[in-house]
Amino acid sequence: GAGVSQSPSNKVTEKGKDVELRCDPISGHTALYWYRQSLGQGLEFLIYFQGNSAPDKSGLPSDRFSAERTGGSVSTLTIQRTQQEDSAVYLCASSLEQRNTEAFFGQGTRLTVV
Amino acid sequence: SQQGEEDPQALSIQEGENATMNCSYKTSINNLQWYRQNSGRGLVHLILIRSNEREKHSGRLRVTLDTSKKSSSLLITASRAADTASYFCATHSGNTPLVFGKGTRLSVIA
Repeated sequence: GAGVSQSPSNKVTEKGKDVELRCDPISGHTALYWYRQSLGQGLEFLIYFQGNSAPDKSGLPSDRFSAERTGGSVSTLTIQRTQQEDSAVYLCASSLEQRNTEAFFGQGTRLTVV
Repeated sequence: SQQGEEDPQALSIQEGENATMNCSYKTSINNLQWYRQNSGRGLVHLILIRSNEREKHSGRLRVTLDTSKKSSSLLITASRAADTASYFCATHSGNTPLVFGKGTRLSVIA
């Protein structure tokens, strides 16, 4: 596609349920990032994939969060046993490589845990 | 953790005026980038300045970088109502991913 695509755009889930958020990066981009943004706040880094290297998971807030990137393309962020504090906009971005290149962002998934 | 810190947190100006936002960071960087965000959704890349560069221009945007002070500034000249958005700086350091600051909310009043 022409840009980074995220689905769903909005997700409302009950506390305790699992959710999966999807990101389709720009074709050919080797780097993929997930961020989380609470209302009116900055972007909190979650996880980073670069080519075939092991992902940088240093930003994942708890073991309820996990992500995978299949075939070096599509990525899925999974949140298990969701809590109300997980409510936020989850943003995905991709870039051609890590250094000295811009990141292209999707429109995000707004997650609301009720 | 957040590397960049933007200043001010919020800025309100009249259309036609210039807007200046600042970003400070803590560690050595490969590059510093500025992004704009409308309505709390996707971010749009504005400009990238490498650690060996001091100034860069793009249209009405001017970015400076002072590595000795670990700071950068974004100047938007002749602002327009459409420039109303949140602006974020982001840094690349070593092999770490892009780290964003908390942003500056700019309001341009027509």
